[in-house]
Amino acid sequence: AQSVSQHNHHVILSEAASLELGCNYSYGGTVNLFWYVQYPGQHLQLLLKYFSGDPLVKGIKGFEAEFIKSKFSFNLRKPSVQWSDTAEYFCAVTNAGNNRKLIWGLGTSLAVNP
Amino acid sequence: KAGVTQTPRYLIKTRGQQVTLSCSPISGHRSVSWYQQTPGQGLQFLFEYFSETQRNKGNFPGRFSGRQFSNSRSEMNVSTLELGDSALYLCASSFQTPGTDTQYFGPGTRLTVL
Repeated sequence: AQSVSQHNHHVILSEAASLELGCNYSYGGTVNLFWYVQYPGQHLQLLLKYFSGDPLVKGIKGFEAEFIKSKFSFNLRKPSVQWSDTAEYFCAVTNAGNNRKLIWGLGTSLAVNP
Repeated sequence: KAGVTQTPRYLIKTRGQQVTLSCSPISGHRSVSWYQQTPGQGLQFLFEYFSETQRNKGNFPGRFSGRQFSNSRSEMNVSTLELGDSALYLCASSFQTPGTDTQYFGPGTRLTVL
């Protein structure tokens, strides 16, 4: 069965530190990949997505993610985090094609200390 | 454009009762997905409706059911509530299937089962 693994459950960083959150999936075919973010007290919202093309995708608020097919990974990065990046981050994957459901990781809680 | 709305926002029920949650998607969105979010299990997919048809279903017992109306509004019902059903229930809408389109999430309904 498809699965998504987010290795870091809780991450604590200081402002200006670099961030990398891991996401690995188990499906071997063509995939669509997403990162969603949930800021405290706010709705889940899309951070970035990859369907095809350049494997390095850029999202909102300076985030980017790189799709490495050989490693089944879609890691999220940000060169310098801010206190306002404190949030829960979710990776989600689906095999490409219509009518496929999203499989979600358990999420990574990021706390950025000012 | 108004966002996804969910009612009620908070609900307290006792074991054995049933509950109905409502979701109004963004205008023009035809797909509505439901998720259960708990601290230990993360986001778990319940089902997705598209143009009044259930297109995908997660691994939840038959006590969990849903439907979608012609105006794309959706309801989910949980019968014979159990303590373990206490969770945040999220609704998300998208124009196309969630695997190929951005999902927009509502604020959720917090269900507490006593």
